[in-house]
Amino acid sequence: SYELTQPPSVSVSPGQTASISCSGDKLGNKFASWYQLKPGQSPVVVIYQNSMRPSGIPDRFSGSNSGNTATLTISGTQAMDEADYYCQAWDSSTGVFGGGTKLTVL
Amino acid sequence: QLQLQESGPGLVKPSETLSLTCTVSGGSISSSSVSWAWIRQPPGKGLEWIGSMYYSGNTYYNPSLKSRATISIDTSKNQFSLQLSSVTAADTAVYYCAKRTQLWSIDPWGQGTLVTVSS
Repeated sequence: SYELTQPPSVSVSPGQTASISCSGDKLGNKFASWYQLKPGQSPVVVIYQNSMRPSGIPDRFSGSNSGNTATLTISGTQAMDEADYYCQAWDSSTGVFGGGTKLTVL
Repeated sequence: QLQLQESGPGLVKPSETLSLTCTVSGGSISSSSVSWAWIRQPPGKGLEWIGSMYYSGNTYYNPSLKSRATISIDTSKNQFSLQLSSVTAADTAVYYCAKRTQLWSIDPWGQGTLVTVSS
């Protein structure tokens, strides 16, 4: 079955740029999405179709996807961005999630 | 604005069947370009795709669940449901229902419901 791999944790200082990677076989040939999950809340999509940002998501969130790696980039990271982030792709209409990355803003 | 709400027992005994329902409000479940999904998160672990169903009846399941999962749709009630058979403690999780949009994002999500498998 298809697998996506993320680093367990990423740390960033406020105001700096955070990058979270997601790797999978020929991932660049699929659409990747990114979800933000904060404690006690439901997941929220922050990037879909590799680089599209839903309305209401700040423009400091951006995404890319090429080769075997998709990347979520948060520019000018704020304390409110501290959360778990999950990449997700589609394998023959079946969803696949990465293991999640805990973003710490310190 | 489309909203989804999960409902069902919070406690299920081992070997029994877990049954959850998702009520969709603010829109119709009878759309051919989207699908309706169940996703779960065990305590301290990551998100896991369970499966999804199109209004047409086509279903797609996580192979790791080994045919224990069944998703169905009731258009008369604007609801879709999940049944997971032969549950064990490993099935303890927060279960989310969600919509897979025509743009292939998962949005929105329900608030999630914790289901504990214990005797």
